[in-house]
Amino acid sequence: SQTIHQWPATLVQPVGSPLSLECTVEGTSNPNLYWYRQAAGRGLQLLFYSVGIGQISSEVPQNLSASRPQDRQFILSSKKLLLSDSGFYLCAWSPQWSSYNEQFFGPGTRLTVL
Amino acid sequence: AQSVTQLGSHVSVSEGALVLLRCNYSSSVPPYLFWYVQYPNQGLQLLLKYTTGATLVKGINGFEAEFKKSETSFHLTKPSAHMSDAAEYFCAVSDRAAGFQKLVFGTGTRLLVSP
Repeated sequence: SQTIHQWPATLVQPVGSPLSLECTVEGTSNPNLYWYRQAAGRGLQLLFYSVGIGQISSEVPQNLSASRPQDRQFILSSKKLLLSDSGFYLCAWSPQWSSYNEQFFGPGTRLTVL
Repeated sequence: AQSVTQLGSHVSVSEGALVLLRCNYSSSVPPYLFWYVQYPNQGLQLLLKYTTGATLVKGINGFEAEFKKSETSFHLTKPSAHMSDAAEYFCAVSDRAAGFQKLVFGTGTRLLVSP
């Protein structure tokens, strides 16, 4: 069966510091990968998605970036965090072979920027 | 473009009462529809999905939803609420178009269950 991992689970960082969040998927190959953010009291915002290694699409302009160095690894980064980057970050995957685009979510990372 | 509207950011029910969470969608082609549940500080878990065939879809934890094309709706119901159902629920839509498709999520409905 497939599993998706995210770490760290929680993170407290000062404004201006760098960020690296990692997501890995097990039990499948060549998945579509996604990064979402949930700000307090708000819905899901799609940040990035990837259909293959090195292929990243950005949904919103911001100071975040994403990379996919390996087939089942997706990394969210920032060079300098802003207060507005605080939120709950979710990674998700969907099978390339599925026409439904059903997505499966990781446990999330709670980021607090102070 | 696809869109999803969830009526009511908060819904309160008593334990044992009917749960009804509303979702209306907009799509230019027949859609795929999903309901997800999110418990506090956790990721989203798929409750159920409509892809094709029977319009009444049964999911986990006793939830079900009915696809009504004429009303462009996909409301989520459960006959009897349990305290453990308290969570946030998201409706999502995906197009039946070829190639890569994204999910479009609603803004979510928080279900509160009182004893």
